[in-house]
Amino acid sequence: SAVISQKPSRDICQRGTSLTIQCQVDSQVTMMFWYRQQPGQSLTLIATANQGSEATYESGFVIDKFPISRPNLTFSTLTVSNMSPEDSSIYLCSVWTDSGNTIYFGEGSWLTVV
Amino acid sequence: GENVEQHPSTLSVQEGDSAVIKCTYSDSASNYFPWYKQELGKRPQLIIDIRSNVGEKKDQRIAVTLNKTAKHFSLHITETQPEDSAVYFCAASKGGFKTIFGAGTRLFVKA
Repeated sequence: SAVISQKPSRDICQRGTSLTIQCQVDSQVTMMFWYRQQPGQSLTLIATANQGSEATYESGFVIDKFPISRPNLTFSTLTVSNMSPEDSSIYLCSVWTDSGNTIYFGEGSWLTVV
Repeated sequence: GENVEQHPSTLSVQEGDSAVIKCTYSDSASNYFPWYKQELGKRPQLIIDIRSNVGEKKDQRIAVTLNKTAKHFSLHITETQPEDSAVYFCAASKGGFKTIFGAGTRLFVKA
């Protein structure tokens, strides 16, 4: 299995500010994804982080609000921009591992916007 | 786009009984179906998965079945224990691409 590290694990943010979440994997992976899990809800795919090119966003998510970088096959960042209380969620990095042909999640970043 | 429906939303069983959670998916091209268990305050953990070339898979007390024709798949937990209490999510994916999750089932196992 892949070891996926996310930082920060938790944060309390002021509305109107931006926060960048980092995801580091211990091995090269083809696919990396970012999910959001609002309180008591399921996981919603924000975007696929593409190495060396712009991320592919799902309906309802835009680059201006959730800019994503993926400079190499082991690292990605998600920025939550101009935060409002509605952005209070768990943000999860996930990867598809070619070796295991399965999907793993990082431990998540718990964001509270006040 | 792909849609995954999951039922029931809440399930309460007595310890030792079986629990069954059912999901349907819309995209016939989906070929990978993982199940995740999420305990309070923790990330989703993969508990079992099944691929489209297999109809059933079992791992100790957990089994998953897949009916490709009907686009249904189900999770079966036998001899439930209090530590099985959690939220369970089904998901459907095309080779890891765009994995879509069901709404989740909150399982309570009463001792």
